[in-house]
Amino acid sequence: EPEVTQTPSHQVTQMGQEVILRCVPISNHLYFYWYRQILGQKVEFLVSFYNNEISEKSEIFDDQFSVERPDGSNFTLKIRSTKLEDSAMYFCASRGQETQYFGPGTRLLVL
Amino acid sequence: AQSVTQLGSHVSVSEGALVLLRCNYSSSVPPYLFWYVQYPNQGLQLLLKYTTGATLVKGINGFEAEFKKSETSFHLTKPSAHMSDAAEYFCAVSAWMDSSYKLIFGSGTRLLVRP
Repeated sequence: EPEVTQTPSHQVTQMGQEVILRCVPISNHLYFYWYRQILGQKVEFLVSFYNNEISEKSEIFDDQFSVERPDGSNFTLKIRSTKLEDSAMYFCASRGQETQYFGPGTRLLVL
Repeated sequence: AQSVTQLGSHVSVSEGALVLLRCNYSSSVPPYLFWYVQYPNQGLQLLLKYTTGATLVKGINGFEAEFKKSETSFHLTKPSAHMSDAAEYFCAVSAWMDSSYKLIFGSGTRLLVRP
């Protein structure tokens, strides 16, 4: 069964450093998403992406964040200058019809 | 705007007992509703969904949920809990009227199953 994959599973970085989180969506899906879950809190929408552009972004998704589909298979989330409060689990999802399928997540820890 | 409320951050049941996890939603348009399960250190797995049609929907692992428009609810049930059901459960509503179909999640309910 097709699945969404994410790398790395864990990332530790220093405050102010850039990180890139990678996702491989399900191959025939056209809509892609990033969500995050701060420890002990609810899952929050960050951004949606369709046809090589952002279709919607949340207030969380400020200028420090960017997304890209560089090669037709990968879907990346970049945080330019990480802050302590960016520490969270980041989930990628891709959508087929009305259902979103989630990857296993990347746990980001900013020190 | 849409929102989801899950009553009870923790629910504890005995093995073999009925599981009932509560979800209420707010939506200005007919909602698409989902239940996802998250096992420790894993991602979100779809349990079941309601879009249109039959209001009682069945999912994986013996779970089912009923969409009740009059009560704006989508409670998740399972007749008999198993130890392997211990996990966190998230109810979500889809903003399908937007171009993004983003999911709006509730705060989650952690299910504990006692032997």
